[in-house]
Formats: sequence, C-alpha cells, structure tokens
Amino acid sequence: KAGVTQTPRYLIKTRGQQVTLSCSPISGHRSVSWYQQTPGQGLQFLFEYFSETQRNKGNFPGRFSGRQFSNSRSEMNVSTLELGDSALYLCASSWGQGKETQYFGPGTRLLVL
Amino acid sequence: GNSVTQMEGPVTLSEEAFLTINCTYTATGYPSLFWYVQYPGEGLQLLLKATKADDKGSNKGFEATYRKETTSFHLEKGSVQVSDSAVYFCALSVDNTNAGKSTFGDGTTLTVKP
Repeated sequence: KAGVTQTPRYLIKTRGQQVTLSCSPISGHRSVSWYQQTPGQGLQFLFEYFSETQRNKGNFPGRFSGRQFSNSRSEMNVSTLELGDSALYLCASSWGQGKETQYFGPGTRLLVL
Repeated sequence: GNSVTQMEGPVTLSEEAFLTINCTYTATGYPSLFWYVQYPGEGLQLLLKATKADDKGSNKGFEATYRKETTSFHLEKGSVQVSDSAVYFCALSVDNTNAGKSTFGDGTTLTVKP
C-alpha cells in the first residue's frame, strides 16, 4: 500500500508570495491533518480535514488555509508569505475515527526569503 | 486542554547504553498514547502505541507502559544502536471528534555514538 505523498518536497519563495502544498493520503484514509514543524516551535497543528470538511483548526492566522477533495487528497495554501513561515510542513492521514495512529508523509520544506 | 511534556534533549549515549525518555501528559478524556520517531529528512513514523492503562507498547526493542496514575508514558530501550539516532516524539490522541488531531511533545533528539 502506498504511503502518504507530499509535493513538492522543497520550495523556495519570497516574502509576499503565496504557496500551495499538496498531500495524497493512504488509500481509504478520509482524514488529512497538516502540521508545521520548526526548530523553535516544534510540531504545531494547523488543521484537519475529514470527508471534505474542516473538522479541527489550530491557532494559525487566516493566511493559512486548506481544502480536501472528494478523493481525500488535500491542499494547503499560505498567502502573503512571511519569513517566519519557513518550516517543514507535514501532512498526516488516518481513517478519521477514534484515537488512531496517524501516518505521515515526508513533508514539504518551505524556505521563504 | 491537552498537552504533552517530554524530557528535554538532546540526549547523547554510547552504543549499548540504556535509554529512557520521559513523557508525561494531561488530557481531557481517556487518550491513546504514542511514540513517533523522525529520522533525518523524513516525516514521523509510529514507533509504538498503547490504548489503555497498563498497556505496554513495544517495537524494535523499544517499550513504553501507559501509566494512568502518574499520567506518564516513558520510552525505554535496553541497548541502543547508532541507527536509533533520531528525534522521538511522544503524542496523545483523545476522542473521535478530534481523531485527526494529535497533541505532540517537543521532541527529544537522540544521538548514539559508536
């Protein structure tokens, strides 16, 4: 069974630009969560989508948004990039029921210059 | 709210040494507990988990016991190898409405020297 895939793996942008990251979950998984990982803040939860609906949201500004498609693939978008948005963005998928294991992709490393 | 507190790192050990990484938690409800590991350049992967009190999760020589009375889930390994060098995250997951949202500790970086 294929794992969680994320594209692109690496991205360099400049301040003020916007970026879209993509995540394809494990087949059959309906929940996709996004996390931001930085050396200073650790792993911070961005949001979770389940069956095309945002079910949970972390404490991030409105510049961070996401969506989920009918095939469970998910995208997250960051508008008006700031230097502090430089991070590893991790996507995780799961069935979406109960207290379950999350399966992570390799991440997209975003550098904002 | 929910939170996970991990032993601060980094931790440096010699090969074959005993490893303990402490993890304590606070949670509303009855959580499942996890240890995830992240190798350089990769995402997190599940190392082990426990779903109820006194359960012991184990994998690849690592083990952790769900202690409800002390709200702890400490990770141990009797003899570490160089290949165990990685970042270890303790995490919890609570109920169905938050099924896709795990709470993670800050991570503990382990370096094992030959």
